[in-house]
Amino acid sequence: SQTIHQWPATLVQPVGSPLSLECTVEGTSNPNLYWYRQAAGRGLQLLFYSVGIGQISSEVPQNLSASRPQDRQFILSSKKLLLSDSGFYLCACRTGGIGELFFGEGSRLTVL
Amino acid sequence: AQTVTQSQPEMSVQEAETVTLSCTYDTSESDYYLFWYKQPPSRQMILVIRQEAYKQQNATENRFSVNFQKAAKSFSLKISDSQLGDAAMYFCAYRSVFGNEKLTFGTGTRLTIIP
Repeated sequence: SQTIHQWPATLVQPVGSPLSLECTVEGTSNPNLYWYRQAAGRGLQLLFYSVGIGQISSEVPQNLSASRPQDRQFILSSKKLLLSDSGFYLCACRTGGIGELFFGEGSRLTVL
Repeated sequence: AQTVTQSQPEMSVQEAETVTLSCTYDTSESDYYLFWYKQPPSRQMILVIRQEAYKQQNATENRFSVNFQKAAKSFSLKISDSQLGDAAMYFCAYRSVFGNEKLTFGTGTRLTIIP
């Protein structure tokens, strides 16, 4: 079965600084990959998904971007963080079947 | 657009008792998938149970079962013999069968287990 690694687990960044969150998947090939954000007390908001290398679909316009340089690597980035970017970021993958997602352990971002 | 509603922000249940978490959804599609996810304090989302809309039989996984009412667009989760380890946020989620990769989540229900 697949394993999803996310790092860093915790990050505190000043407003205006850049961001890079990384997600890698083991145990599967050609997965669909997703970035979700979870704000405090709220559900999960889909930010980006990717069905293959270099293919990124954006769900929410914002100052974040995503890239997929390799089959099992998914990166979430920002050039200049905003206070509103604070939250818990979850990477997920889907490897076929009926569409259930498998999640990583998440990265908590605090922007000060 | 599909929406998922969980009307119970918080629930509590005595250990060993049964609790039901509610979920309703809105869609114009006839075929789709529904899921319940659990998010314990460790924050990792874990799939609890899934249901395919074309199947009339309610899904069951050990102590977890669902009551899927397609006409009413309702998908509740029943947890039997509640255990302390069941304490978590529970999210209901919807996914269309056709084309759309998006998994739409509800806002969650925080379940507390009372010893």
